[in-house]
Amino acid sequence: DVKVTQSSRYLVKRTGEKVFLECVQDMDHENMFWYRQDPGLGLRLIYFSYDVKMKEKGDIPEGYSVSREKKERFSLILESASTNQTSMYLCASFDVMNTEAFFGQGTRLTVV
Amino acid sequence: AQSVTQPDIHITVSEGASLELRCNYSYGATPYLFWYVQSPGQGLQLLLKYFSGDTLVQGIKGFEAEFKRSQSSFNLRKPSVHWSDAAEYFCAVGANTNAGKSTFGDGTTLTVKP
Repeated sequence: DVKVTQSSRYLVKRTGEKVFLECVQDMDHENMFWYRQDPGLGLRLIYFSYDVKMKEKGDIPEGYSVSREKKERFSLILESASTNQTSMYLCASFDVMNTEAFFGQGTRLTVV
Repeated sequence: AQSVTQPDIHITVSEGASLELRCNYSYGATPYLFWYVQSPGQGLQLLLKYFSGDTLVQGIKGFEAEFKRSQSSFNLRKPSVHWSDAAEYFCAVGANTNAGKSTFGDGTTLTVKP
């Protein structure tokens, strides 16, 4: 069974902290994505990666960075967390052959 | 730029009734279109997808969608809704198959009445 695993379901962090959100996939996919989900705004793309050490900005990259040192792991980094980054974060891995995205269960981050 | 509009924020239907969720897209070339479902507290699951060919596509859980190029629409349908279908539904348009980048609509929340 294919799987995308996000390391935390819920996180509470303080303003100014550096925050790491981890995502691991076991499907050997090259393409991975980080989205942010807010009520009424759907999913917005933060960053994506086509391969190890390759990354591209999405629609809302400000305040975020990413790391892809290994194919299976794609990390989202909040350099200095702010309250407006309180949100649900979804990681996805993309199967190019079947043109299908697989999503993790999400990490609900609260910044206080 | 590509965009997706889901005109209905919230829809309520009775169990056993038919369902149609609307999706309109804007895209310069042939679109790659998707419908996803998100149950409470879960990630998104792909229901169905369209790239080319037959404009009526079948998906999982008894859902289907019809691509209408002239109307720039890709509406999701189900003949008889079950209580377990209560969830949030997202329509998405993809840039191309290799990238997997998709632009999502704002979502439609479906409530099912007993």
